[in-house]
Amino acid sequence: QKEVEQDPGPLSVPEGAIVSLNCTYSNSAFQYFMWYRQYSRKGPELLMYTYSSGNKEDGRFTAQVDKSSKYISLFIRDSQPSDSATYLCAMIDFGNEKLTFGTGTRLTIIP
Amino acid sequence: DVKVTQSSRYLVKRTGEKVFLECVQDMDHENMFWYRQDPGLGLRLIYFSYDVKMKEKGDIPEGYSVSREKKERFSLILESASTNQTSMYLCASSPSGETLGDQPQHFGDGTRLSIL
Repeated sequence: QKEVEQDPGPLSVPEGAIVSLNCTYSNSAFQYFMWYRQYSRKGPELLMYTYSSGNKEDGRFTAQVDKSSKYISLFIRDSQPSDSATYLCAMIDFGNEKLTFGTGTRLTIIP
Repeated sequence: DVKVTQSSRYLVKRTGEKVFLECVQDMDHENMFWYRQDPGLGLRLIYFSYDVKMKEKGDIPEGYSVSREKKERFSLILESASTNQTSMYLCASSPSGETLGDQPQHFGDGTRLSIL
């Protein structure tokens, strides 16, 4: 079993819809949680970064962490075609100090 | 803005060749990382460095080595390239923090390496 599970998609939604992207994890030692966005033929770019349970909002993006359920989510409101990308969750276990990534979910926003 | 630059976007090499991938960052970050990204496997850490001349193995170091002679530059070396090393290679950097992993990493755009 992988430490971090992420549905690879692809996920297609119409423009303006709310998008929900999710990851589950098995290692209770994970402390910091991140979401990266990766456009085609580009490197991942950091989108959201949080270390506590609850919600963190940044513009149209909301990151949600539920440590008791070992579940994190990224919500995108009023989705735009420019949001079409692969979204990677990532998390850190301070024990081994390494970043563990999900495999990514490919998202397409249809105009 | 942090800039992480990888010297080549695409590279084609032959089996058995020694291959060098170069990465430069311009934000004076202490930590630098090399990952490979493969479909269905996500990003996997090959090596990282938290200081000049320091290096640590990641999850899949076999067949690779690294060099960090200057703070801004981190090189990945494939000692004798094999076809199973065909992949997208991503370099990243981050500032130092209380632990290695508590600062977000900034990535370059990757080098797509094909070994024939």
